[in-house]
Amino acid sequence: DSGVTQTPKHLITATGQRVTLRCSPRSGDLSVYWYQQSLDQGLQFLIQYYNGEERAKGNILERFSAQQFPDLHSELNLSSLELGDSALYFCASSGSSGSRPSDIETQYFGPGTRLLVL
Amino acid sequence: AQSVAQPEDQVNVAEGNPLTVKCTYSVSGNPYLFWYVQYPNRGLQFLLKYITGDNLVKGSYGFEAEFNKSQTSFHLKKPSALVSDSALYFCAVRDTSNDYKLSFGAGTTVTVRA
Repeated sequence: DSGVTQTPKHLITATGQRVTLRCSPRSGDLSVYWYQQSLDQGLQFLIQYYNGEERAKGNILERFSAQQFPDLHSELNLSSLELGDSALYFCASSGSSGSRPSDIETQYFGPGTRLLVL
Repeated sequence: AQSVAQPEDQVNVAEGNPLTVKCTYSVSGNPYLFWYVQYPNRGLQFLLKYITGDNLVKGSYGFEAEFNKSQTSFHLKKPSALVSDSALYFCAVRDTSNDYKLSFGAGTTVTVRA
């Protein structure tokens, strides 16, 4: 168990809908990352937040947005869903203030949310 | 831009034999390199990483990897494979000169037969 939790585990919805995925990082971790895993695109970095602020952006669609709250949990919002958005969405965390310098870089992944858009 | 290549989609070995999963990378600065393993319907589990120092790094479950700067490679190895090592393995790199994100390879499916 990595210590990163994600809810829900599975999500089935229809095209055009909006969903919210939730992530709780490991205790004390300041950075949260979102990734999308699909058969055709592989593992793609979407976005990173550090202590509430956006730090890096990857291949994230404009229909997608994220935020990190003061308690450090994060939410990924996916709107106007399309069939192609069906994928496994992972959250990862790193960078606890108590980490050794060599540990700061390691990202620990949650179990993922499997999204199916019908 | 940073990138990772895992040249083999699949690796098949017999239990007890050595296991090698290949990874090459491309970065403009210095790399941080990682290996993760994914079991069916599970998240990614961290195996090991190279940040700096000794080129041979040891990780979880008896795995090790060797950083080779001249060949820009970071191959994952295990001296004696187990059936339970059968999984999907990902190599990832972070370019320390310009970004915080991890770029992942396409993954290598390892099958260890009894």
